[in-house]
Amino acid sequence: AQSVTQLDSHVSVSEGTPVLLRCNYSSSYSPSLFWYVQHPNKGLQLLLKYTSAATLVKGINGFEAEFKKSETSFHLTKPSAHMSDAAEYFCVVRLDGGYQKVTFGTGTKLQVIP
Amino acid sequence: DAGVTQSPTHLIKTRGQQVTLRCSPKSGHDTVSWYQQALGQGPQFIFQYYEEEERQRGNFPDRFSGHQFPNYSSELNVNALLLGDSALYLCASSPRGRAVYRPEQYFGPGTRLTVT
Repeated sequence: AQSVTQLDSHVSVSEGTPVLLRCNYSSSYSPSLFWYVQHPNKGLQLLLKYTSAATLVKGINGFEAEFKKSETSFHLTKPSAHMSDAAEYFCVVRLDGGYQKVTFGTGTKLQVIP
Repeated sequence: DAGVTQSPTHLIKTRGQQVTLRCSPKSGHDTVSWYQQALGQGPQFIFQYYEEEERQRGNFPDRFSGHQFPNYSSELNVNALLLGDSALYLCASSPRGRAVYRPEQYFGPGTRLTVT
C-alpha cells in the first residue's frame, strides 16, 4: 500500500521570500516521487522527479526537492517566490513494478502576495 | 512534437446519459492512464491501458470503462451519469519502458465534464 500526505492545503508567501511545500509519503517499497504544478484551468506540469538517483532533485523554474528516506519526506522548496508561482502543487508517489501505481496528494494551493 | 491531447475541452451532459472522452498520447508513448479530478481535490486514478488492455484499475464503478486503440489513443466512457461525475478528467501518457528507467507521466489539459 502507498499513500502521500501534503501537510498544508494552503500556503501564503510574499514575493521574493522562500517557499516550502511539505510532502510525506508511505510506501512498502522504494517509490518514485514527483511534484506537479497545476495553474488554474490548466493541466498538470511536471516540476521534478526523484527516481532513486541523487536525493536532491532540481526541477524547472528554480524549484528543488530533497528525498529523505529516514523522514519519508519529499518537501518542495524555492529560494525566492515569484508571482507566477501561484498555483496548486501536487506531490505524487508511484510504486514501480510491472505496472505503475500512482497516488496523488490532495494538493497545496500556493498564494504569492506582492 | 505534440503533447497529450484531449477532446472535447468542455462537455455538458444530463444525469443518466452516457459520455465518451478521448485522448491521444504523446508521440512515442504507449501507456495511457485516466484520472478524475473533482473540484478542489487531487486527481484520482481511474485506470491504465497498455497493449489495448486495462492493466490497473482504481476504485471506480463499472460505469467507467475504457478502450485503447492500436495507435495507442484511448477513450474513457462513463454510463448512467451522476451529478457526482462532474469533474475534470485528465489523461496521462508514458512510455512503458523498463521499470528501472521510471519514466514520468505527461498530462493532457483535461476535459471538463458537467452533469446537470
